[in-house]
Amino acid sequence: AQKITQTQPGMFVQEKEAVTLDCTYDTSDQSYGLFWYKQPSSGEMIFLIYQGSYDEQNATEGRYSLNFQKARKSANLVISASQLGDSAMYFCAMRLFNAGNMLTFGGGTRLMVKP
Amino acid sequence: DGGITQSPKYLFRKEGQNVTLSCEQNLNHDAMYWYRQDPGQGLRLIYYSQIVNDFQKGDIAEGYSVSREKKESFPLTVTSAQKNPTAFYLCASSIGDASVYGYTFGSGTRLTVV
Repeated sequence: AQKITQTQPGMFVQEKEAVTLDCTYDTSDQSYGLFWYKQPSSGEMIFLIYQGSYDEQNATEGRYSLNFQKARKSANLVISASQLGDSAMYFCAMRLFNAGNMLTFGGGTRLMVKP
Repeated sequence: DGGITQSPKYLFRKEGQNVTLSCEQNLNHDAMYWYRQDPGQGLRLIYYSQIVNDFQKGDIAEGYSVSREKKESFPLTVTSAQKNPTAFYLCASSIGDASVYGYTFGSGTRLTVV
């Protein structure tokens, strides 16, 4: 079974600085997708960025980029120029394309941006 | 606008009662999911449905039941058999094939046993 690990329960970052949130995954499948979601205190899950296992370039979406290292099975989220509104829980998730549409989530990282 | 609506936002239940959480989507998505989230933790899959009139257990289905009589609706019943139901419940949907956008989530229902 697939597993997602986020080893940082909580992190602080100074406003306007960059921060990296770690995510490692474990699967023997070759076809999969990796996702990052943001969950503010209100509870909704906001999709941030996606990386397919066959994508050769790292995904980017505005201030978000995904540092994908396939051999190391890591998919770290990089947030550049942190803003106070970035304070939230962040979840890494994986979907195996040959095993239905279920997303498996990591335990999350709480990011706190300091002014 | 298309989306997923969960209701109610807050729900209080007395011990021994069954309660039903509503989840409705107008995205024409085939698949729907229920997740449970405990404070400071990740999401755990309760049930999922890939098509109308069919659903499967997830990792923590004990004490829960679902139905999928309509494509738009996937209600979750928390039964009295669920020993620790206090949690945040999220409903999600996705299109049938592999989507780069993963899921669309509802805004959640916070259930508290009183």
